Amino acid sequence: QVLLVESGGGVVQPGGSLRLSCAASGFSFSRHGMQWVRQAPGKGLEWVAFIQYDGTNTYYADSVKGRFAVSRDNSKNTVYLQMNSLRSEDTAVYYCTKDQATDWQAGDCSNSWGQGTLVTVSS
Amino acid sequence: EIVLTQSPGTLSLSPGERATLFCRASQSVGSAFFGWYQQKPGQAPRLLIYGTSSRAAGIPDRFRGSGSGTDFSLTISRLEPEDFAVYYCQQYGSSHLAFGQGTKVEIK
Repeated sequence: QVLLVESGGGVVQPGGSLRLSCAASGFSFSRHGMQWVRQAPGKGLEWVAFIQYDGTNTYYADSVKGRFAVSRDNSKNTVYLQMNSLRSEDTAVYYCTKDQATDWQAGDCSNSWGQGTLVTVSS
Repeated sequence: EIVLTQSPGTLSLSPGERATLFCRASQSVGSAFFGWYQQKPGQAPRLLIYGTSSRAAGIPDRFRGSGSGTDFSLTISRLEPEDFAVYYCQQYGSSHLAFGQGTKVEIK
């Protein structure tokens, strides 16, 4: 079955950096776009970033553009989120998600989600 | 950038009742690129509906999605105890995806 396991969360000071990883298994990783979605404590879902199945295209929410970078290593079935210049408003649970569609260049609906990793930005 | 607005914010109903949730987009969304998710406390969201009206794998047929253009809805025909949760709409299929702010379906 599909399994997505996020790691790398933790406490970081404002202005700091953190890299999240998401290890995927149970499906043809190199054929699916992947996304990051976050949820601040007690709040709703916010889409963060998308990376195409082959890494060719990446898209970002305006709130993180220029600070966050999504990448993937299809040989390791892993997607990453590099987060720089972190702010208090970036505090959230970060979910890694798998696109339902295969071989597609735009973000699709997410039919599998990881359990999430908590990022806390605080001094 | 498309903004999704869900209503109502909270729906208080009893098991067995019918629930109807709404989502309005700030501009037209293609029917193939609209979906709904369910989230229970402490859990990751789960895809319910994609392509406006197609149920995801394992989703019971009491969940029905409909709509077009800027107005979409999710209907739960008869609420089961496990359906009390928060529901999010989503538009996708572009370079900027978006979620609505959520509707909480609570037990009355």
